[in-house]
Amino acid sequence: ETGVTQSPTHLIKTRGQQVTLRCSSQSGHNTVSWYQQALGQGPQFIFQYYREEENGRGNFPPRFSGLQFPNYSSELNVNALELDDSALYLCASSPPGITYEQYFGPGTRLTVT
Amino acid sequence: AQSVSQHNHHVILSEAASLELGCNYSYGGTVNLFWYVQYPGQHLQLLLKYFSGDPLVKGIKGFEAEFIKSKFSFNLRKPSVQWSDTAEYFCAVNEIAAGNKLTFGGGTRVLVKP
Repeated sequence: ETGVTQSPTHLIKTRGQQVTLRCSSQSGHNTVSWYQQALGQGPQFIFQYYREEENGRGNFPPRFSGLQFPNYSSELNVNALELDDSALYLCASSPPGITYEQYFGPGTRLTVT
Repeated sequence: AQSVSQHNHHVILSEAASLELGCNYSYGGTVNLFWYVQYPGQHLQLLLKYFSGDPLVKGIKGFEAEFIKSKFSFNLRKPSVQWSDTAEYFCAVNEIAAGNKLTFGGGTRVLVKP
């Protein structure tokens, strides 16, 4: 059974740029959630995707957007990067019918300079 | 504001000592509860979960947690820790009425000395 995978592992961007992070869900899972984890803090919910539609959103501005594809993989896009966007971005997938039971990938470490 | 609190930021123990990590939440409605563990250099792993039923739940690696509804608590316990339990532990709460998001506590770093 393949777990959640994310790419890239690390990324360095400049303030004002745009970034796309990618996630492949665990085999058999159809829901994907994204979280931001700042250094020394717990993860914070960004949004969740189910059936290719946003299915819940946390307290993040519209410049954070996402997509889910028919194979359940997902992208997180962040426009107009700010220094405070530097964080570990985590993707989690959930089995059908239990979307609050979430299994996490290794994350993408984003540094904005 | 609704929140999840983990009272201890750092815990240092010797092997064979007992471990208890506190977790309290502020939601008044029905919740699902989770503990995750992050070992050094690894990603978050689900340690145990509570949805309903017996408030004492058992997870992997000898961990257990007790849900006390009246205290809004979900404390994690292990009777005898090993050096390999050195990790960061996160409590997470899903408030059913608020959808499928998990709200995490700030984490507790546990160091087990051999």
